[in-house]
Amino acid sequence: DIPLTQSPSFLSASVGDRVTITCRASQAIYTYVAWYQQRPGKAPRLLIYDASTLQTGVPSRFSGSGSGTAFTLTISNLQPEDFATYYCQQLSLYPHNFGQGTKLEIK
Amino acid sequence: EVQLVESGGGLVQPGRSLRLSCAASGFTFDDYAMHWVRQAPGKGLEWVSSISWNGRIRDYADSVKGRFTISRDNVKKSLYLQMNSLRDEDGALYYCAKGVGILAGALDFWGQGTLVVISS
Repeated sequence: DIPLTQSPSFLSASVGDRVTITCRASQAIYTYVAWYQQRPGKAPRLLIYDASTLQTGVPSRFSGSGSGTAFTLTISNLQPEDFATYYCQQLSLYPHNFGQGTKLEIK
Repeated sequence: EVQLVESGGGLVQPGRSLRLSCAASGFTFDDYAMHWVRQAPGKGLEWVSSISWNGRIRDYADSVKGRFTISRDNVKKSLYLQMNSLRDEDGALYYCAKGVGILAGALDFWGQGTLVVISS
């Protein structure tokens, strides 16, 4: 297993802010990381794959970076619809586990 | 338009079995790996199992290995999860998801989930 640690677990921010969520792996996983957004009562939505590639249709205010063991998801100019829970997932080795999630709330 | 529709969830007693199905449409089903992910009420996402495009490569989370079996029927464009010896901790919303590639990769489309409740 490759445990993933997301930080912070909770994040409070305002519309228009820029926020960063970190995902750390216990061992190097190259760039095999994806990020998902989950709004309450909805299925997860893929935002970023291969650590930094924006999924088709995802607004450009979302960006991802990192390689090896440390990865970040950055959301610029927060919009009301961005307040949700975010998960990273490692796709380097099975099991393809997820981080514990980061809940982004409106301040 | 890609659509994934799960079915088969319900209330089941501990120790019993259940078979989940996922009907796919809007893409060439046998070109992609498929996956099951679950989410217990109020909890995070847990990857459960994956199957390659041709069904020959299957992987499972340790928590379900030996009890769950993933399979697919490329003619029927359907994904399945046979769940045996169900435990309380298996109660969750089970999502079917499409992979971006033939073997693994990120999950780019998700169904709305089917709920499994374990209770005696």
